Amino acid sequence: KAGVTQTPRYLIKTRGQQVTLSCSPISGHRSVSWYQQTPGQGLQFLFEYFSETQRNKGNFPGRFSGRQFSNSRSEMNVSTLELGDSALYLCASSPSGGLQETQYFGPGTRLLVL
Amino acid sequence: DAKTTQPNSMESNEEEPVHLPCNHSTISGTDYIHWYRQLPSQGPEYVIHGLTSNVNNRMASLAIAEDRKSSTLILHRATLRDAAVYYCILRDSASGTYKYIFGTGTRLKVLA
Repeated sequence: KAGVTQTPRYLIKTRGQQVTLSCSPISGHRSVSWYQQTPGQGLQFLFEYFSETQRNKGNFPGRFSGRQFSNSRSEMNVSTLELGDSALYLCASSPSGGLQETQYFGPGTRLLVL
Repeated sequence: DAKTTQPNSMESNEEEPVHLPCNHSTISGTDYIHWYRQLPSQGPEYVIHGLTSNVNNRMASLAIAEDRKSSTLILHRATLRDAAVYYCILRDSASGTYKYIFGTGTRLKVLA
């Protein structure tokens, strides 16, 4: 099976712009989670989608949003970008997001906000 | 949220066993303990997970304390390819959530 893919891999934006990142999960996986990784805060959970519905949400402002399509592909959007949004954004998928399930991570999208 | 505490860094010689500790004193009865590792420039990858009993797989062993307030990831023979940041994670089951709570991780350095 192909792994989790994320596009684009690298992105440079300026403050105030918005950005959309894409994640294609492993075939058959219906749960997609998003994480932000920064040197200062480490890995932080953003949100999880399952069957096109946001099931869980971390402690991030409303500028961070996401959605999931019927084929389980997911996008996350960050509006009004701030310098502090520069980070590696990771997507992970699993069959249904159960407590015992392994999450499979993509390589991430590295976002730089200037 | 449940939290985990890990040493910031550890060193090991190649071909020797490595014991990576993790404290999770606030763990609840149904929280699973997961370990992931992150190699440079890659996303995290699964290593092992458990609930109460010790677990073994081809990559590592997981020893869980009887009171579940701590656990230890054991790499039986460290190789240079095992150099990574190792995360001990609780799978938060409170209120029906299913998110991962990542700690700060332990950066493992393997010496040739």
